[in-house]
Amino acid sequence: DADVTQTPRNRITKTGKRIMLECSQTKGHDRMYWYRQDPGLGLQLIYYSFDVKDINKGEISDGYSVSRQAQAKFSLSLESAIPNQTALYFCATSDRLADTQYFGPGTRLTVL
Amino acid sequence: RKEVEQDPGPFNVPEGATVAFNCTYSNSASQSFFWYRQDCRKEPKLLMSVYSSGNEDGRFTAQLNRASQYISLLIRDSKLSDSATYLCVVNGVKAAGNKLTFGGGTRVLVKP
Repeated sequence: DADVTQTPRNRITKTGKRIMLECSQTKGHDRMYWYRQDPGLGLQLIYYSFDVKDINKGEISDGYSVSRQAQAKFSLSLESAIPNQTALYFCATSDRLADTQYFGPGTRLTVL
Repeated sequence: RKEVEQDPGPFNVPEGATVAFNCTYSNSASQSFFWYRQDCRKEPKLLMSVYSSGNEDGRFTAQLNRASQYISLLIRDSKLSDSATYLCVVNGVKAAGNKLTFGGGTRVLVKP
């Protein structure tokens, strides 16, 4: 089984809808991250969490919110989706002692 | 100026040839450097870390030049399976945690 899982893998929704993307990990890592990737661009950090009680904004947090329900779970919400939030979303985890991040398989989100 | 810049390519490489490409970073306080590999529509995966003295992993060699603020990746004896996008990744100040900054990626196409 994959160490970092994301659900759903693909989602098509309409403008104005609320969407939640979920991420779970079995690596036992403290730190979790949400990124978005647009075609031809690098990954941009949306939010990150260093432990269950810690939530931090990344470069592009506007229009997004997160919840760290447990050490293993970190969800990303789009309160009112808009078309320019169409992108590939990745969750990642890392151990607090190391730099390496491990990514989930991604969620492809399309907002019509 | 972007924090991490890469030539997007594509680099069209004959099978068996050598290819090399660079990445420049703007934050002189950057602490850690990595190359990640990303296959089409898949998650990024760590290829190798980049150390000050340079390091090699099989056919892959990474170099860091702090004075000129760039890192490089060289692939020898290219295989068809090396076709992918290579992401340059930089970790900033340690006190800010494991926040990685990603370049836009360099696409490599190895052809028979």
